Amino acid sequence: EADIYQTPRYLVIGTGKKITLECSQTMGHDKMYWYQQDPGMELHLIHYSYGVNSTEKGDLSSESTVSRIRTEHFPLTLESARPSHTSQYLCASSEVGEQYFGPGTRLTVT
Amino acid sequence: AQSVTQLDSHVSVSEGTPVLLRCNYSSSYSPSLFWYVQHPNKGLQLLLKYTSAATLVKGINGFEAEFKKSETSFHLTKPSAHMSDAAEYFCVVRGGGATNKLIFGTGTLLAVQP
Repeated sequence: EADIYQTPRYLVIGTGKKITLECSQTMGHDKMYWYQQDPGMELHLIHYSYGVNSTEKGDLSSESTVSRIRTEHFPLTLESARPSHTSQYLCASSEVGEQYFGPGTRLTVT
Repeated sequence: AQSVTQLDSHVSVSEGTPVLLRCNYSSSYSPSLFWYVQHPNKGLQLLLKYTSAATLVKGINGFEAEFKKSETSFHLTKPSAHMSDAAEYFCVVRGGGATNKLIFGTGTLLAVQP
């Protein structure tokens, strides 16, 4: 079982609030990723990181931001949540080849 | 550019019957291909991967997939479905370059009837 963790698992929050979704991995992987997934749909890459102090935007435009200050930690922040941000957010890490996924955070913005 | 196409959005089988989930890929070079499974409200779990070694790849939980270059296919099979196999299955190809980005298919929802 992959050692990648996400908190919280579920979050219901009001419009305009600032939120941070946490993602940590204990495998020492350099590469980390954030995906957004709407119910019953495929995953879309929104951010990725090659390593510490390296972040890039993914294929799907997102109003969220990320940081990578430590190898094991890759948090995602929304400065002002909106209902359109309601979705599942999945974090993953890898070296070369397959990615290992966390359990996801299901975010609902009311 | 790399891409995958999952040919069925929904597949329904009876428990104990074979499973076939179809995936075609497009790649300008020899691809790395994966199948992931996602159970409700869970993250993704790797079922199996193909990385240019044996064309028949065995994965976890009795699943296997065969890489067929002539047909550009990587179909997922299992001889006998179990109720616990009900989930969403994603066919995935690795993108090029150093980013190790994955490109996901649209998913196939497998239902297993008792």
